[in-house]
Amino acid sequence: AQSVTQLGSHVSVSEGALVLLRCNYSSSVPPYLFWYVQYPNQGLQLLLKYTSAATLVKGINGFEAEFKKSETSFHLTKPSAHMSDAAEYFCAVILWGFSGTYKYIFGTGTRLKVLA
Amino acid sequence: ETGVTQTPRHLVMGMTNKKSLKCEQHLGHNAMYWYKQSAKKPLELMFVYSLEERVENNSVPSRFSPECPNSSHLFLHLHTLQPEDSALYLCASSPNVLESTDTQYFGPGTRLTVL
Repeated sequence: AQSVTQLGSHVSVSEGALVLLRCNYSSSVPPYLFWYVQYPNQGLQLLLKYTSAATLVKGINGFEAEFKKSETSFHLTKPSAHMSDAAEYFCAVILWGFSGTYKYIFGTGTRLKVLA
Repeated sequence: ETGVTQTPRHLVMGMTNKKSLKCEQHLGHNAMYWYKQSAKKPLELMFVYSLEERVENNSVPSRFSPECPNSSHLFLHLHTLQPEDSALYLCASSPNVLESTDTQYFGPGTRLTVL
């Protein structure tokens, strides 16, 4: 069965420092993987997605993620953190149902804090 | 502006009350979803609708009753809830329930507190 694990429920970085949020997946089939961001008092917004094309995926706001099959990872990075990046980040993998429908399986989220 | 709106944004209700959550999407999508977001737990998919037809119900208690009168509107009717039902309820939509590469667009959620 498909699942994702996000290591670290809270991550703090200094403004201008590298952001690295970790996501490892488990999947019996080639996975589709997503990163969503949730700003305070808002719903989730797609940052980027991997759907079996290029392994390095670039998203919005300077974020990118690399699909590494050998490590079963899809970590999210940004070279230089900005105060506005403070939010909660969710990794998700697709689970297909027998009826042809699908659903997201989300991780528990990582709250990113950016220090001035 | 995500194109998905939810009302009310906050709701406090007693265990014997009946209330409804409303979701509206302005994106022309065919699929709509209800999720529950509880503290320290992954988002849980509750219901999926495709063109007003329910296609998935993830073992949700009957005290939650969804309704989709058209492809733009989705309701979640609540009755005799329990304190553990307190959570953020998120609505989402996507172009097509069968296309897994589609992005889901989320509303801001309704923060529900059950006393």
